[in-house]
Amino acid sequence: SYELTQPPSVSVSAGQTASITCSGDKLGDQYASWYQQKPGQSPIVVIYQDTKRPSGIPERFSGTSSGNTVTLTISGTQAMDEADYYCQAWDSNTAVFGGGTKLTVL
Amino acid sequence: QLQLQESGPGLLKPSETLSLTCTVSGGSVSSSSSYWGWIRQPPGKGLEWIGSIHYSGSTYYNPSLRSRVTISVDTSRNQFSLKLTSVTAADTAIYYCARLGIYCSGDNCYLSYFDPWGQGTLVTVSS
Repeated sequence: SYELTQPPSVSVSAGQTASITCSGDKLGDQYASWYQQKPGQSPIVVIYQDTKRPSGIPERFSGTSSGNTVTLTISGTQAMDEADYYCQAWDSNTAVFGGGTKLTVL
Repeated sequence: QLQLQESGPGLLKPSETLSLTCTVSGGSVSSSSSYWGWIRQPPGKGLEWIGSIHYSGSTYYNPSLRSRVTISVDTSRNQFSLKLTSVTAADTAIYYCARLGIYCSGDNCYLSYFDPWGQGTLVTVSS
């Protein structure tokens, strides 16, 4: 089955740039989305179609795609950005989520 | 503002059938540009997609759950539902419903991202 691979954890100092990667064999052919989930809350989308940011999501969130890897970048990371982040893509109309990355803001 | 709310029993015994309903407000489940989906999250673990449905009846299921899952839509009540048969402790999870958008490029349309999500409902399977 298709898999998306994320690092389990990423740490970043407040005010610095955090990057979270997601790798998968078919990411070069499919768009990916990124979701943020804070403890006790439902996920919210922060990036869709690799690079697009929904209204209401701060500009410090951005997404890029290169080959079979997509990357979520948070510039000027704030304490409120500490959360779990999941990438998601499609494989033949089957949704696949990455295992999630816990972002810690130091 | 589109909102989704899950409802259903929170405690099941092994071998029983899980039945959940998602009520959509602020929008119509009959929107041609939307699919509707179920996603679950075992306590302390990651997200797992269960399946998605369009009001036309088109459905997609996670292959790993396909034999036990049925998703249906009730346009008259603006709801969609999930049934999962023969549950075990491994099905203990928070179950979320969400709108699934579609994007089109030329003559082709594709499933996109989940937004918004309901608040989730915890379903525990225990004897």
